[in-house]
Amino acid sequence: ETGVTQSPTHLIKTRGQQVTLRCSSQSGHNTVSWYQQALGQGPQFIFQYYREEENGRGNFPPRFSGLQFPNYSSELNVNALELDDSALYLCASSPSGGGSGELFFGEGSRLTVL
Amino acid sequence: SQQGEEDPQALSIQEGENATMNCSYKTSINNLQWYRQNSGRGLVHLILIRSNEREKHSGRLRVTLDTSKKSSSLLITASRAADTASYFCATVKPPYFGNEKLTFGTGTRLTIIP
Repeated sequence: ETGVTQSPTHLIKTRGQQVTLRCSSQSGHNTVSWYQQALGQGPQFIFQYYREEENGRGNFPPRFSGLQFPNYSSELNVNALELDDSALYLCASSPSGGGSGELFFGEGSRLTVL
Repeated sequence: SQQGEEDPQALSIQEGENATMNCSYKTSINNLQWYRQNSGRGLVHLILIRSNEREKHSGRLRVTLDTSKKSSSLLITASRAADTASYFCATVKPPYFGNEKLTFGTGTRLTIIP
């Protein structure tokens, strides 16, 4: 177990709604990354936060936004949900601004959009 | 978009045999990482190999990297039932060098038959 916790574990939303997913990073880690994993696919990078600043963003529209708090926990917000947003959302933390290489993943939040 | 592709997509072997998975990628990289995922749960980091390295070992794992062929292989020796999982390679491309933006492949589903 990595010490990265995510909530909620499962949720169901309808198209057009908004969702907030939460992540607590492992103790001592100041970097949080978010990934989207569609069924049967590999994870895709959404963005990374380092010391409360966005430190890189993948190819996702602006309705995907995030925050990192002073305690290094993080939120992922998705507005105007679409059916294709149904996926496992994975949060990962690491102890520095990317230099260590290894990511420590949580168990994910499974979002279903109806 | 996916950077890499794992080959094969699925692999079934008898317990005790060796399992080899391959990963190909498209552009130059600074490092390549392998992760394991048990049935829709979080990913677990296995090993990281940098672009100037050719081979690394960790317990029953052996990873090779051939940057001229843009490919990597993961060998698991003396497989166990607990090795049943999906295995993903992930690359980090310049200008990143740590874990700022991992690009995952499509994964190999490994099944160990007791």
